[in-house]
Amino acid sequence: GAVVSQHPSWVICKSGTSVKIECRSLDFQATTMFWYRQFPKQSLMLMATSNEGSKATYEQGVEKDKFLINHASLTLSTLTVTSAHPEDSSFYICSASDVYEQYFGPGTRLTVT
Amino acid sequence: GQQVMQIPQYQHVQEGEDFTTYCNSSTTLSNIQWYKQRPGGHPVFLIQLVKSGEVKKQKRLTFQFGEAKKNSSLHITATQTTDVGTYFCAGLFLRNNAGNMLTFGGGTRLMVKP
Repeated sequence: GAVVSQHPSWVICKSGTSVKIECRSLDFQATTMFWYRQFPKQSLMLMATSNEGSKATYEQGVEKDKFLINHASLTLSTLTVTSAHPEDSSFYICSASDVYEQYFGPGTRLTVT
Repeated sequence: GQQVMQIPQYQHVQEGEDFTTYCNSSTTLSNIQWYKQRPGGHPVFLIQLVKSGEVKKQKRLTFQFGEAKKNSSLHITATQTTDVGTYFCAGLFLRNNAGNMLTFGGGTRLMVKP
């Protein structure tokens, strides 16, 4: 099956700093990538939909200026958490879509101290 | 907004017993997808159902999509310890001018006692 990678797999940062998370589709081109957030033992919440070459579409309640998404190519999307706070600590998962299904990355665990 | 409700939240079964999780949507779905997430892992796609009343089987797993395309179920026959994990349904909603949206249910966490 198709493979989606995420980097880093985990990161600890200090409050007020910014963190960039990369999502790559390794063996297929994904015109659409999705960013989700998952709190412990909870479901995935869609944050934004990212289309290559255009601005991301953010879901209601997600701050565009705080969660910057760039979809520079058909195989790479990045999520930057700006001025991170402890409440941003979470598991961030990306997925990439081909015609048939969504493939999820392994996730990035962000801890903000 | 669109919501997908999933029950039960947790289920403990003895190995060999059957297990079922149910999903309900507030509105008609374009399709429904099922994922399995092992503890510490990421969601892995299991199957997609598109047609009204569709039933699909994967070995011991049976997936159903309701006639009204608003509900779905996943049934596991004779559970094994390898079935442990959280099963999520995800409904695809078509939104005008806003792209399709995959909304996840809350998940059912399955625990199997050997």
